[in-house]
Amino acid sequence: SQTIHQWPATLVQPVGSPLSLECTVEGTSNPNLYWYRQAAGRGLQLLFYSVGIGQISSEVPQNLSASRPQDRQFILSSKKLLLSDSGFYLCAWSGGGRDTEAFFGQGTRLTVV
Amino acid sequence: AQSVTQLDSHVSVSEGTPVLLRCNYSSSYSPSLFWYVQHPNKGLQLLLKYTSAATLVKGINGFEAEFKKSETSFHLTKPSAHMSDAAEYFCVVISSGGSYIPTFGRGTSLIVHP
Repeated sequence: SQTIHQWPATLVQPVGSPLSLECTVEGTSNPNLYWYRQAAGRGLQLLFYSVGIGQISSEVPQNLSASRPQDRQFILSSKKLLLSDSGFYLCAWSGGGRDTEAFFGQGTRLTVV
Repeated sequence: AQSVTQLDSHVSVSEGTPVLLRCNYSSSYSPSLFWYVQHPNKGLQLLLKYTSAATLVKGINGFEAEFKKSETSFHLTKPSAHMSDAAEYFCVVISSGGSYIPTFGRGTSLIVHP
């Protein structure tokens, strides 16, 4: 069966520090991968998605970047965090196609102080 | 283009009473629709999905939803609320003709009173 791992679960970082959140998927190949950010009362905002290794699409201009160095690995990064980067970050994967649901990691609560 | 509107940011019910969480969608193509539940500081769990088969879809934990194309709606219901149903609920649409990216509504917080 497929599983998705996301870490860390919580993170407190000072303003201006770098960020690296990692997500890996097991039990499937060539998944579509997604990073979402959830702010209070705003639902889930798509940040990045990837349909293959090295293929990254950015949905929202921001202080973050994403990379997919391996088929089932998706990394969210920042060189210098801002206070506004605080939030709940979720990684997800899907098989692609209209009828396939997305499966989510447990999320990372990021607090920038 | 696709979008989802969840009409209520909060819904408050008493335990044992019916639940109705409303969702309307917009899609240029035939959509698939999903409902997810999220408990505090957790990931999202799939409740149910509609993928152009039966319009009345049954999910986990007694939830069901009905796809109504004429009303562009996919409301989530449950006959009797339980305290453990208190959570955030998201309606999601995926359309063909694009990159199949899930688009989320803003979420509805379900509050259940004893």
